[in-house]
Amino acid sequence: EAEVAQSPRYKITEKSQAVAFWCDPISGHATLYWYRQILGQGPELLVQFQDESVVDDSQLPKDRFSAERLKGVDSTLKIQPAELGDSAMYLCASSPPSRKYEQYFGPGTRLTVT
Amino acid sequence: AQSVSQHNHHVILSEAASLELGCNYSYGGTVNLFWYVQYPGQHLQLLLKYFSGDPLVKGIKGFEAEFIKSKFSFNLRKPSVQWSDTAEYFCAVNAWQTGANNLFFGTGTRLTVIP
Repeated sequence: EAEVAQSPRYKITEKSQAVAFWCDPISGHATLYWYRQILGQGPELLVQFQDESVVDDSQLPKDRFSAERLKGVDSTLKIQPAELGDSAMYLCASSPPSRKYEQYFGPGTRLTVT
Repeated sequence: AQSVSQHNHHVILSEAASLELGCNYSYGGTVNLFWYVQYPGQHLQLLLKYFSGDPLVKGIKGFEAEFIKSKFSFNLRKPSVQWSDTAEYFCAVNAWQTGANNLFFGTGTRLTVIP
């Protein structure tokens, strides 16, 4: 069964450093999402792509976060500089064109900022 | 703005007990409703979904949920839980009419099933 791939699974970084996460959606899924899940809370959308275009980034802290999906396939989420409050699980999800309201999640990247 | 409330933060049950997890949402229009499950060490998985039609929907592993529009609720149920149902359960809503695909999640309910 195809799955969303994410790397790294765990990342520890110091405050003010740059960090990047990678996501490879299920093949053929045109829509890609990045969520942030703080411990004890549900996931919150950061950014949504349709192919290579950003559809919604209203909740992305653009002063330090950036996301790209240059060829409309895999995607990178970057934080620069990282802050202590960025410690969270970063989840990637994708949706197929025929069932765009169904999202399939990857295993996530657990970020710890020290 | 849409919001999803899950009032039970942690539920502890013995095996074979019945389960009901509450979920309420705030949005006046047409919604798509979902329950996701996250087993220990695993990623979020879709448990069941409601788009339209029969308000009683059945999902995987014997779970079901009932959409009650008048109560803005989508409670998750299972008649007899197993130890393997120990997991975190998230309710999520998508506002159909906005055209946006993003999901709004509740804070989750942690279920612990004691053998």
